Order: sequence, then C-alpha cells, then structure tokens
Amino acid sequence: EPEVTQTPSHQVTQMGQEVILRCVPISNHLYFYWYRQILGQKVEFLVSFYNNEISEKSEIFDDQFSVERPDGSNFTLKIRSTKLEDSAMYFCASTRPINYGYTFGSGTRLTVV
Amino acid sequence: SQQGEEDPQALSIQEGENATMNCSYKTSINNLQWYRQNSGRGLVHLILIRSNEREKHSGRLRVTLDTSKKSSSLLITASRAADTASYFCATDKEKLTFGTGTRLTIIP
Repeated sequence: EPEVTQTPSHQVTQMGQEVILRCVPISNHLYFYWYRQILGQKVEFLVSFYNNEISEKSEIFDDQFSVERPDGSNFTLKIRSTKLEDSAMYFCASTRPINYGYTFGSGTRLTVV
Repeated sequence: SQQGEEDPQALSIQEGENATMNCSYKTSINNLQWYRQNSGRGLVHLILIRSNEREKHSGRLRVTLDTSKKSSSLLITASRAADTASYFCATDKEKLTFGTGTRLTIIP
C-alpha cells in the first residue's frame, strides 16, 4: 500500500537554527498538508498546499515557516529560526480530491534545545 | 472553528467488550473521518463518512453521523488488546480539523 515517507524521524536542533523537514507524498495525490502535535496535545493544522501554492495556512504558520515542493515529489517544511515551543511531532499528509481519507507519514519528532 | 471534541477523554474496557467514542463538531462538513494513533506514532485513517451518510461499517468498526446534532460516534466491537490507542475524529472541509482524542485502553 502506498505510503507517505517523512525524514528524518527525529531531529534535535539548537534554538535559532533552521530546520528542514522532508516528506514524499503519495504520487497520485494532489493535496498536501503539514500538521503538528505538541506532546500530549491535539493535532494542529499548519498549512495546505495545492497546485504548487499554499491554499490555506493557520495562525501558527507565521513568517518563520515556509513550504516547498521543489521537484514534483518532495514536499518540505522549513522553520527558519527555531524556538523552544516549536518542539513537536510534525506530520505530513496527502490526499486526493474531496471525500478521500488522508494518508499521514510517521512524523518527524523535532526537539529544540 | 469546526473543532471535533471527543468524549470520553479516556476509556478502559475489558478485551472482548465494545468501545464507543463520541465526537461533536461545530460547523458544516464535507465528511468526518476517524483516525487511530498508537503512542508516539503516525495517524492511521480508519473510516470516512460523508455528510449525506448516516452510518457506515468497516470490519469491527461502525460509525454514525448525525449532522443535525453535529455529532458522530465510533463503535469498536469485540475489542482486542491491539486496539489500545488514541482515537481522533476529524472534520473535513478543505482540510482536516482534529478533535482532542479518546485514549482507549483494552485490558487483556
């Protein structure tokens, strides 16, 4: 069964450093998403991406965050200057158009120290 | 926001019993989905029910949707130890919005 692949599985970074989280969505999916889950809390929407542009973003997704689909397969989330409160699990997801389930990756656990 | 809120927050039952989890939401939806998350792992899609459907089955799972009450329920029949996980409802209207989850523990 097709999978969404995320790398790395775990990243530790110093506060203020830039991180790039990588995702390979399912090839015939058209909609791509990033979510995050702070330990013990609910899964929060960050951004959705369709047709090579952001379609929606949450209040969390401020100027420190950016997304790219550089080569038609990878989908990346960049955090320019990490803060302690960015520590969380980050999940990538993809789906086909309306009324299909989303396929999530296994997540990247980001720890900012 | 169209947040899903699950009830109860935690549920412990004996293996073999049925588990029922409820979800309420606030705004209109295209569909409602249920996901499972094992501790520290990714989210696994379980079942999707469209806004014009009232009930759906998949194996040991049964989902109901009442759009007039903006609520849904997930029933897991004949529970197994492997069903121990957190279960989330998520409303879909151009993106998924997750509820707070129910932590289900199946006691062998």
